[in-house]
Amino acid sequence: RKEVEQDPGPFNVPEGATVAFNCTYSNSASQSFFWYRQDCRKEPKLLMSVYSSGNEDGRFTAQLNRASQYISLLIRDSKLSDSATYLCAVNGVTTGGGNKLTFGTGTQLKVEL
Amino acid sequence: DTGVSQDPRHKITKRGQNVTFRCDPISEHNRLYWYRQTLGQGPEFLTYFQNEAQLEKSRLLSDRFSAERPKGSFSTLEIQRTEQGDSAMYLCATNKLYNEQFFGPGTRLTVL
Repeated sequence: RKEVEQDPGPFNVPEGATVAFNCTYSNSASQSFFWYRQDCRKEPKLLMSVYSSGNEDGRFTAQLNRASQYISLLIRDSKLSDSATYLCAVNGVTTGGGNKLTFGTGTQLKVEL
Repeated sequence: DTGVSQDPRHKITKRGQNVTFRCDPISEHNRLYWYRQTLGQGPEFLTYFQNEAQLEKSRLLSDRFSAERPKGSFSTLEIQRTEQGDSAMYLCATNKLYNEQFFGPGTRLTVL
């Protein structure tokens, strides 16, 4: 089993729709989680952090379910500009005390007119 | 713009050549990470620095790879005797303590 798993999609949704992505993780000791947005051939950009039960920022809501070991990202009223790949990342502690991220493969979202 | 810069942005090289990439972190960030991303995959951790000390290296980092962070500021990642399988985007990320990591624009390497 992969450490972090995501449905690669693509999710094709009409503008204005609500869409949700899930991400499962295998290490039950993981403490913090992140959603990154990545546009084609660009670097990942931090979208949201999920430290406890969840987080909300405008149209975006992230939730954590520790019992089932997954995090979710909900996008409401989707815009054409939301089209991107959404990467889930799980924080793990390095042997040197840093916090290396383990990423899923990403979920591709295409918002259409 | 996160404030993390990388140079060059693109590098095309022939198999067997050596290449070096540079990352300049956000100035107050003492932790620096290198990741590699191939098409259709998420970034994979390569190595981590706290200040000038390299504290962890992934098994992905073969003997042909070496990274440095002299004086705890910028970092370099060198690949010796490049192979076609080294073609990827090399990403640098930085943070303070356990805060979120911010990525630079990456260096896209193509090995012919």
